[in-house]
Amino acid sequence: QVQLQESGPGLLKPSQTLSLTCTVSGASIRSGSYWWCWIRQPAGKGLEWIGRIFTTGSTNYNPSLGSRVSISLEPSKDQFSLKLTSVTAADTAVYYCARCTAMEGFDPWGQGTLVTVSS
Amino acid sequence: SYELTQPPSVSVSPGQTAIISCSGDKLGENYACWYQQKPGQSPVLVIYQDTKRPSGIPDRFSGSSSGNTATLTIRGAQSMDEGDYYCQAWFGSTGVFGSGTRVTVL
Repeated sequence: QVQLQESGPGLLKPSQTLSLTCTVSGASIRSGSYWWCWIRQPAGKGLEWIGRIFTTGSTNYNPSLGSRVSISLEPSKDQFSLKLTSVTAADTAVYYCARCTAMEGFDPWGQGTLVTVSS
Repeated sequence: SYELTQPPSVSVSPGQTAIISCSGDKLGENYACWYQQKPGQSPVLVIYQDTKRPSGIPDRFSGSSSGNTATLTIRGAQSMDEGDYYCQAWFGSTGVFGSGTRVTVL
């Protein structure tokens, strides 16, 4: 079955750039009509959709994050990545990656990775 | 921006029915999904396309939609159903999650 795994630094200082990678196994990220999403969840709070990328490289982002966010594909490695610039303490959260489609929802999800922004 | 509103909490006795609502402008024009999240775990899809259940999800979970409100129903709630539940929908190319509902079975 399809599995996703997030990886990346767990601790950042304010103003740095958050970079996370999601590795997909059990399926090729290049095949099928799937979008691949990033979602985050601050401790004790709800889920926030960050953005998504299609197999062709087309992207959509949460307007609330403005130009700070970008998502890219690394098809040869079956990976997709998240970059969030100029981080602040408000970006501290568990970050999840997931396969996402409008018809079939977000499924499956990765296990999540905690990113803390602190000076 | 779009918002999806859920009740903060729902309590239900074991074996009874829990009903969670999710409302938002123009929700009726889009499919809703529902996710269950237990403490320390990743969310799990329990309903998609308003009413469909992924394989492996017990049939005590069901979804419905009317107007701009989607509803998740848990019939015969069990202690293992405790957790946070989130609705989600796409508005154009923007994904939106509901505010979340904590379900307590006691």
